[in-house]
Amino acid sequence: DQQVKQNSPSLSVQEGRISILNCDYTNSMFDYFLWYKKYPAEGPTFLISISSIKDKNEDGRFTVFLNKSAKHLSLHIVPSQPGDSAVYFCAASARAGANNLFFGTGTRLTVIP
Amino acid sequence: NAGVMQNPRHLVRRRGQEARLRCSPMKGHSHVYWYRQLPEEGLKFMVYLQKENIIDESGMPKERFSAEFPKEGPSILRIQQVVRGDSAAYFCASSSGLFNEQFFGPGTRLTVL
Repeated sequence: DQQVKQNSPSLSVQEGRISILNCDYTNSMFDYFLWYKKYPAEGPTFLISISSIKDKNEDGRFTVFLNKSAKHLSLHIVPSQPGDSAVYFCAASARAGANNLFFGTGTRLTVIP
Repeated sequence: NAGVMQNPRHLVRRRGQEARLRCSPMKGHSHVYWYRQLPEEGLKFMVYLQKENIIDESGMPKERFSAEFPKEGPSILRIQQVVRGDSAAYFCASSSGLFNEQFFGPGTRLTVL
């Protein structure tokens, strides 16, 4: 039962353009959402998060948008850089504080120089 | 850099042997999570521990798997009588418990021959 879904397994974007990665969830109890970036043979690296009380959070080139009514969130990277090429995982949890994360299956982003 | 440490990074076992995976959380973190990633899949939660306590083991297989986080020393994920289906990357994450950001270690790649 996949409660967090990333329906695009891969995405290719030209350097300098915007990358948009999408994520959908089914569990209405989720109230905290995170994006992680993962390189091969390494652990996921935390990128950015958003609480359900917000609809947008921005950190440098990374912005996460949350649409609670649609149970959808997206990560925007602008401008995209070749070093952004990695697998991006969306994750969600049901309570603030320490709690286990539910991960999507990931989207492999390739930024073409 | 006192990040999350995992060892070994690679572990090869024959069917029926035991595998022990170790995780030292970030300094100041008392919450440890274990996740498993099968090939081409996202990370799946296994167990959440605080010092000397298992808080949530809802993702752990009922047999052969156990985890501990003793008062002193690293957290241990133990897999008894390994089978080929246990081959995966096992990631440990830690948090301070105050926020949802979990910081991941580099993972242990278990191969069962």
